[in-house]
Amino acid sequence: GQQLNQSPQSMFIQEGEDVSMNCTSSSIFNTWLWYKQDPGEGPVLLIALYKAGELTSNGRLTAQFGITRKDSFLNISASIPSDVGIYFCAGQEQNAGKSTFGDGTTLTVKP
Amino acid sequence: DTGVSQNPRHKITKRGQNVTFRCDPISEHNRLYWYRQTLGQGPEFLTYFQNEAQLEKSRLLSDRFSAERPKGSFSTLEIQRTEQGDSAMYLCASSLLVDTQYFGPGTRLTVL
Repeated sequence: GQQLNQSPQSMFIQEGEDVSMNCTSSSIFNTWLWYKQDPGEGPVLLIALYKAGELTSNGRLTAQFGITRKDSFLNISASIPSDVGIYFCAGQEQNAGKSTFGDGTTLTVKP
Repeated sequence: DTGVSQNPRHKITKRGQNVTFRCDPISEHNRLYWYRQTLGQGPEFLTYFQNEAQLEKSRLLSDRFSAERPKGSFSTLEIQRTEQGDSAMYLCASSLLVDTQYFGPGTRLTVL
């Protein structure tokens, strides 16, 4: 079945630093999604990408849909303590119901 | 608040008992999804509905699991004869057809 490889598994950064994480797939996706999850809560959608090559921003967050449609990255600029959490990428095939998730990147921001 | 809601938020049960969880999707969303998440992993797809029709079920959904969406609105997920391996966070999401899925807060199940 589909597999998403998300890296890095964890990151420890200083407040104010920029962060980059990425996801690669063995297969093509038509939609890439990035979510953030806090402990004990459900994932919250950050950015949705619908076209190969698309670059989309949401405040300090920027994500890109790779041109091969098999990868995506998420950048966070000028990190702040509330950015702490687990970030998940997810891919959706065309006309598919389900999303396939990576195993997450745990972000720790030191003040 | 008109987001996805799930009840209960936490459930502790003894092995062998049956449990049922409820999900209320965003009101205009016709698709509803169930996922399971264990510690250190991303959500894994279980099943989804379009209106009241259950369109896909994962291999993860054993015979002890059953999901319903009788009127195309809320959904229930029942686990019969719970096992310790069923301990996980059960997440519900909803969407408008193939649009982006929005998740609820989840139900944390602990099987003793």
